[in-house]
Amino acid sequence: DTAVSQTPKYLVTQMGNDKSIKCEQNLGHDTMYWYKQDSKKFLKIMFSYNNKELIINETVPNRFSPKSPDKAHLNLHINSLELGDSAVYFCASSPHWNGEQYFGPGTRLTVT
Amino acid sequence: GIQVEQSPPDLILQEGANSTLRCNFSDSVNNLQWFHQNPWGQLINLFYIPSGTKQNGRLSATTVATERYSLLYISSSQTTDSGVYFCAVERVNAGNMLTFGGGTRLMVKP
Repeated sequence: DTAVSQTPKYLVTQMGNDKSIKCEQNLGHDTMYWYKQDSKKFLKIMFSYNNKELIINETVPNRFSPKSPDKAHLNLHINSLELGDSAVYFCASSPHWNGEQYFGPGTRLTVT
Repeated sequence: GIQVEQSPPDLILQEGANSTLRCNFSDSVNNLQWFHQNPWGQLINLFYIPSGTKQNGRLSATTVATERYSLLYISSSQTTDSGVYFCAVERVNAGNMLTFGGGTRLMVKP
């Protein structure tokens, strides 16, 4: 059973489009996250979220927004895609605000 | 924000060799994790180790929180150990948002 899953695995789209990446966890965790890995493999936190609070990394453009329909899902919406948004996006979850984080397999986004 | 530095940035080993990877961080932390990113891009949890020492097979890790560093030991390396090893920390009161180091890229040759 996959603990943290993401769809799609690959996403190719054009500049200006709006797209979403889905994340689901079946671990019963309370807190979920989105991270971005750039072409140099550097990983950076974008959002930290549970049903009570959203924490946004101040460097994330407001074109990016997390949406959580329920505790097991945290989707990432991106508006007006730009070339610089091309990266691998990882979803993660942890039992609560602290504790070990578990990562999904990643979604490779390519903006042309 | 907190700074996380990993060394060495690149490492080439012959199969069977041992190695030590280091992670230095600039502030007090609640959480420290080591990950292995394999050649397929998956991030695999190795250790959750905000302090102390843990062992898992050929791998072990030690974190000395008071001195702000952690070490990952790989013994009897295998080609499947190749990939990038990341250290990630959560600064105190940072909402469990991990800050990653730049990684150590390891290649194990047969």
